[in-house]
Amino acid sequence: ILNVEQSPQSLHVQEGDSTNFTCSFPSSNFYALHWYRWETAKSPEALFVMTLNGDEKKKGRISATLNTKEGYSYLYIKGSQPEDSATYLCALDSNYQLIWGAGTKLIIKP
Amino acid sequence: SQTIHQWPATLVQPVGSPLSLECTVEGTSNPNLYWYRQAAGRGLQLLFYSVGIGQISSEVPQNLSASRPQDRQFILSSKKLLLSDSGFYLCAWAPGQDYEQYFGPGTRLTVT
Repeated sequence: ILNVEQSPQSLHVQEGDSTNFTCSFPSSNFYALHWYRWETAKSPEALFVMTLNGDEKKKGRISATLNTKEGYSYLYIKGSQPEDSATYLCALDSNYQLIWGAGTKLIIKP
Repeated sequence: SQTIHQWPATLVQPVGSPLSLECTVEGTSNPNLYWYRQAAGRGLQLLFYSVGIGQISSEVPQNLSASRPQDRQFILSSKKLLLSDSGFYLCAWAPGQDYEQYFGPGTRLTVT
């Protein structure tokens, strides 16, 4: 059974600080790694889809890296803002389905 | 542009009653379609996915079923709801494998 782990489970960060969190996954049978952002009372929204080892993607203050050989991806947020408060989910793309991590809940303190 | 609709937004049903949740996608053809559930305090659980009309794959044994009667319509059903069926149900579509998924607004189901 494929398992995707995210850490930490929750994170409190002071506004203006930078932060990062981890997604770990089995490195075999890798197709792609997805990152989603899920704000309270909204639907999950895709951030990145990463496919190549060493990939680094960026969207504004948010970036992600991928290491498929060791089975992890990092999500970085630079200069956290209150609107960054959300649950960040990663998912391993495997055979027509996404295997989801439980998410990292990020709370930005003003 | 593509849009995804889900209804109803909220639903309160008694144990043992039937369920029908509907999801439709506009602006694309032959999408992959997905039903997810988020139980309280847990991540997303894939329930069903479909790569075409009449093609349904079930990931979790349960008292739920899914159907895809039209290319852009995906229905989640149950004949008799259980208390454990309570949760937040999300429908999603994707152009294919390895593409990002786009989620509907979700349905909050409470079984009493």
